[in-house]
Parts: sequence; structure tokens; C-alpha cells
Amino acid sequence: GENVEQHPSTLSVQEGDSAVIKCTYSDSASNYFPWYKQELGKGPQLIIDIRSNVGEKKDQRIAVTLNKTAKHFSLHITETQPEDSAVYFCGGGYQKVTFGTGTKLQVIP
Amino acid sequence: GAVVSQHPSRVICKSGTSVKIECRSLDFQATTMFWYRQFPKQSLMLMATSNEGSKATYEQGVEKDKFLINHASLTLSTLTVTSAHPEDSSFYICSARAGRLGMYTEAFFGQGTRLTVV
Repeated sequence: GENVEQHPSTLSVQEGDSAVIKCTYSDSASNYFPWYKQELGKGPQLIIDIRSNVGEKKDQRIAVTLNKTAKHFSLHITETQPEDSAVYFCGGGYQKVTFGTGTKLQVIP
Repeated sequence: GAVVSQHPSRVICKSGTSVKIECRSLDFQATTMFWYRQFPKQSLMLMATSNEGSKATYEQGVEKDKFLINHASLTLSTLTVTSAHPEDSSFYICSARAGRLGMYTEAFFGQGTRLTVV
């Protein structure tokens, strides 16, 4: 099955700086890579996703890049704000998604 | 995004009793629903996948007789934790998507259910 690894486990940045979270996957058949944001005590919220036929996708301050050859994909958040503080999960898969272990992002005002 | 409603958000039950958790897609037809379990500060562990009208597919290590899943309609799936024990205490989350297997579309999560077994 798919194995998704995520780094770092915690990340602290100053408000206004950029944050980057990286994931790797093992199954070359995986073609869908979503990113979710989870606030304490709540369910995950889809923030952006990318499919294997695209190398990069951007939505305002959030961008995701995918390197199929290296089986790497990354989440980039620019101009971070305190409300970006949360746990972020990457996922990868084909028929079902396997999630990474999560990154706790703290944006320091 | 689409709305998935999960109920209840919190439940406390006595050891040995059963608890039912509902997951509803409010504005789309969910052909596939997923049930996850999440321990504190840990990732989402997939328990089972259910397609409307068919039996759920359970992940390795998940007891299908203990975690009963029913996906009887395109907008409702239920997870019943039978004969609950304190070790079943966890955060249970459902997600739903409109696509069938082989055609992955976005999945949207419910708010989660915090189950505490005393």
C-alpha cells in the first residue's frame, strides 16, 4: 500500500514569512494529493489538492508542487498569518488517500 | 466546498454499550464514504471505506464486527462502535466524496466525534 511521510512535524515561523511542508510517497500509482488543515477539535478542511498530471497549483497564498519522478510534493504558504496556525496533513493515493503524520504550524505574531 | 455533517460531536458512553455515529453529506451525493480514527496529536488512520449499497471494506487490523458500518443511502453512512471499551475512546471522523473508486474526486470531512468510554 501507499506510505506517505511528512516533514517537519512542527514548524514555527514569524508572521509574514513563508512556510514549507514536504511530503514523500511510495506508490507510483498514486495520482491525487490533497492537503488538509485541521484546527484543534475539528475535522480536517481541504485547502488545496493536486493531481498527477499537474506539476504546480496555486490558490492565493497557498501553492502545492509535485515532482512525480522523485515522488515528492510540497505545500507552500506565503505571507503567513496567525490564523494559519493549525495542523496540516498531506495525503496521497489513488482509490483511497493515505495521510502523512501531520505538521503543526505555529505562526508567531 | 461541500458540507459533510457528523453527529454527535461528543459522546460519553459506558463500557459495554454501543454507540452510533452518523455522517451525512448535505449538498451532494456521496457514493463513497471513509471512516477514520485519530488519536491525540496523531494522523488520520483509515478504518474502512464504504460505497453506497455495498459492504464496507475494512483496513487490516480493524474489527468489522466491532465497528459496524452502514452506507444505506447516498447521503448517510453510520458507524456503530459495539460493546465499547475505554481503549475505543478516540476522535472518529468521516469523509465523503462523490466519485466512485478509480476516479478520485475531492473528499470532504465531517467535524468529527469525540468518543469517551467510561
